Amino acid sequence: AQSVTQLDSHVSVSEGTPVLLRCNYSSSYSPSLFWYVQHPNKGLQLLLKYTSAATLVKGINGFEAEFKKSETSFHLTKPSAHMSDAAEYFCVVSDPGYSSASKIIFGSGTRLSIRP
Amino acid sequence: ETGVTQTPRHLVMGMTNKKSLKCEQHLGHNAMYWYKQSAKKPLELMFVYSLEERVENNSVPSRFSPECPNSSHLFLHLHTLQPEDSALYLCASSLLAGTTDTQYFGPGTRLTVL
Repeated sequence: AQSVTQLDSHVSVSEGTPVLLRCNYSSSYSPSLFWYVQHPNKGLQLLLKYTSAATLVKGINGFEAEFKKSETSFHLTKPSAHMSDAAEYFCVVSDPGYSSASKIIFGSGTRLSIRP
Repeated sequence: ETGVTQTPRHLVMGMTNKKSLKCEQHLGHNAMYWYKQSAKKPLELMFVYSLEERVENNSVPSRFSPECPNSSHLFLHLHTLQPEDSALYLCASSLLAGTTDTQYFGPGTRLTVL
């Protein structure tokens, strides 16, 4: 069975400092992994996704994530936080061995706060 | 904007009311989804439609009834809801209903059941 765990429910960083949002997954196959962002009163927007190509994935707004199979992790990072990064971030895992979208599992989310 | 719109944005209803949520996508996608987002809980997939056919129904109570008349429109009909059904209901679409397809989300309908 597949699962995804976001290790921190809330992360607070100062503007201009690095961001690290942690995600661990469990999957029977080589999974596809996504990070989505949700700003207040908005829907979710894709930041980046990994689908078995390069393990270091670059996304929008300066975010990137590295797929580490040995650690079953897909942590999201950004070198320098901006005030506009304050939002909720969701890690998502799916098993390509299934054709059904019901095998897409969302993490519980990490709220990122940015201090001026 | 993502190209997925939802109406209404806010809805307050009593437990005996009947209402409908509407979702529309202008992206030429073939799959559409309903999700429920409750406070402190992961996003819950409710229904998946692919080419206007329902392909997934994740044990959702019958008081929620989806309808997909064409690939651009998706409805969620609501009747005799419970207060615990209060949540943000998100619609999404993707090119196909596969597990690697990027989903594009609407802004959601904030539902309050009194």
